[in-house]
Amino acid sequence: DIQMTQTPSSMTASLGERVTISCRASQGINNYLNWYQQKPDGTIKPLIYYTSNLQSGVPSRFSGSGSGTDYSLTISSLEPEDFAMYYCQQYDSSPNTFGAGTKLELK
Amino acid sequence: EVQLQESGPGLVKPSQSLSLTCSVTGSSISSNYWGWIRKFPGNKMEWMGYITYSGSPSYNPSLKSRISITRDTSKNQFFLHLNSVNTEDTATYYCARLVYYYDGAYNYFDYWGQGVMVTVSS
Repeated sequence: DIQMTQTPSSMTASLGERVTISCRASQGINNYLNWYQQKPDGTIKPLIYYTSNLQSGVPSRFSGSGSGTDYSLTISSLEPEDFAMYYCQQYDSSPNTFGAGTKLELK
Repeated sequence: EVQLQESGPGLVKPSQSLSLTCSVTGSSISSNYWGWIRKFPGNKMEWMGYITYSGSPSYNPSLKSRISITRDTSKNQFFLHLNSVNTEDTATYYCARLVYYYDGAYNYFDYWGQGVMVTVSS
């Protein structure tokens, strides 16, 4: 299975701050990489698919980039509703696998 | 609006089977792919498998001997069945709609249920 190393595991940040979350795959995944957000109430939604495509309805402050084995999710200016868990997911090979998650908390 | 709702027992005894139902509104299960994902205590997430619009399943190889995903198109529901559970199957189970376009170039879950917590314990 492809291992997804997601960093950091947790972080604190302030409103308006720019943050970046990273995922490194154990082998190249050809940009087959998604990002999800899980809110404290358990709700999960997709943010980015295929490395850099913004899911409909997701604010433009979210962006994704990367290639090969290294990928990142950037939030350009944190809003109160962005404090949540974030997961990357690769789907280059079966089984699709997730990163361990990043908990983003308010400083 | 697409909505998914998981249902099933919250407690299962070791060695027994776990059966969950996902009820879908706002989208036909005959027109998309539908999957199951679980989140363990400690936040690890695992892709379990999916069923296609035509009823063909695909499973995580680590679960292949124990898992079955089926559907009832008349009720617009799909199901997860996991045999021989043990305490390591304790998790929150989510059903979700899978976007699968361009021969898998786009492959992500766009609508998720709220999840159902299942504890495996005697």
